[in-house]
Amino acid sequence: EDQVTQSPEALRLQEGESSSLNCSYTVSGLRGLFWYRQDPGKGPEFLFTLYSAGEEKEKERLKATLTKKESFLHITAPKPEDSATYLCAVQALLIQGAQKLVFGQGTRLTINP
Amino acid sequence: DAGITQSPRHKVTETGTPVTLRCHQTENHRYMYWYRQDPGHGLRLIHYSYGVKDTDKGEVSDGYSVSRSKTEDFLLTLESATSSQTSVYFCAISESRNQETQYFGPGTRLLVL
Repeated sequence: EDQVTQSPEALRLQEGESSSLNCSYTVSGLRGLFWYRQDPGKGPEFLFTLYSAGEEKEKERLKATLTKKESFLHITAPKPEDSATYLCAVQALLIQGAQKLVFGQGTRLTINP
Repeated sequence: DAGITQSPRHKVTETGTPVTLRCHQTENHRYMYWYRQDPGHGLRLIHYSYGVKDTDKGEVSDGYSVSRSKTEDFLLTLESATSSQTSVYFCAISESRNQETQYFGPGTRLLVL
């Protein structure tokens, strides 16, 4: 059974204080690992997709990396507007090309000014 | 932003009543999905569609049915609402079968009393 575990559940940082969020996964054949950002009362917003170990992607202050067992979302010099819940998900095949996402429970990140 | 709308955005209903939630897309994407999000469980797949009139069950489909009569609309029906179906419901869409990103709507917050 595909599983995703995110840690920590919540993280509070000062503005400018860099850190990393962890996503550990078990999946029978990784097709893709996704990172989303979710603000309160809104739907998940796509950030990155990673497909193979060693791959890295960057967007502004965020960088996502992937190994065979886990992914990290590194946040460098964060700002208060980076406060959100960050969700990690792995892709699993359904029928006729449809693919479901198996999500972790998320990390709630708060950046204090 | 992907052109996805959900209606209603908020609903309060009573146990035993039927409820229909609507997802509308303007992207002409083939695949559509319904997820629910609950504290402690993350996002879980309810039902999905791989084309007009083509649907299948996800991991938490009991008590739910779906219909897709047009490419742009995917309806989720709670046949007889229960308090355990109090949740936030998200629709997602994706374009093609190969490692394609899912884009999420704004969500519907449902309270069953």
